[in-house]
Amino acid sequence: EDKVVQSPLSLVVHEGDTVTLNCSYEVTNFRSLLWYKQEKKAPTFLFMLTSSGIEKKSGRLSSILDKKELFSILNITATQTGDSAVYLCAVEAEYGNKLVFGAGTILRVKS
Amino acid sequence: DAGITQSPRHKVTETGTPVTLRCHQTENHRYMYWYRQDPGHGLRLIHYSYGVKDTDKGEVSDGYSVSRSKTEDFLLTLESATSSQTSVYFCAINRGTGGSTGYTFGSGTRLTVV
Repeated sequence: EDKVVQSPLSLVVHEGDTVTLNCSYEVTNFRSLLWYKQEKKAPTFLFMLTSSGIEKKSGRLSSILDKKELFSILNITATQTGDSAVYLCAVEAEYGNKLVFGAGTILRVKS
Repeated sequence: DAGITQSPRHKVTETGTPVTLRCHQTENHRYMYWYRQDPGHGLRLIHYSYGVKDTDKGEVSDGYSVSRSKTEDFLLTLESATSSQTSVYFCAINRGTGGSTGYTFGSGTRLTVV
């Protein structure tokens, strides 16, 4: 059974801090790992990772995948209150055509 | 999101009543999904469809049925709603393009069973 575990489950930081969110997975025939941000509505896409060691960046957010150790991290530097959200990690298997999600990390950034 | 709509947006229903949620897409994609989201569980797959009349169960399918008689519509039915089915339900489509345009989610239906 495919499985995704995220840690920590929740996190409170101050503006300007750097945070690292973790995602480990077990999936048969891995195809991709995706990160989403969710703010009280539909999840919105952040990154899709398919290859080990290649960092994806978007502004203050970055993510990397380790396919040998079966995990990914999402980094957010210089956090802002607008980064407060639930961050979801999901994996897609090669033949599954569906996403399996972790429980999410609730991030709260205090001003 | 453009291309996928859910209805209703909110619903309150009584225990034991049947409820149907609708997901409509305008883009003719083969794959459609129903997820539920509860605190501490992320999104969990209920059922999905890979074509008209082709559906399969997800990890939390008990108590739910689905139908897809047209490409554009994917219906989720709770035959006899229970309080444990109080949740936020998300429909999704898979454009098969990967990345930001791959999986796209509807705005969600908040269902309360009293």
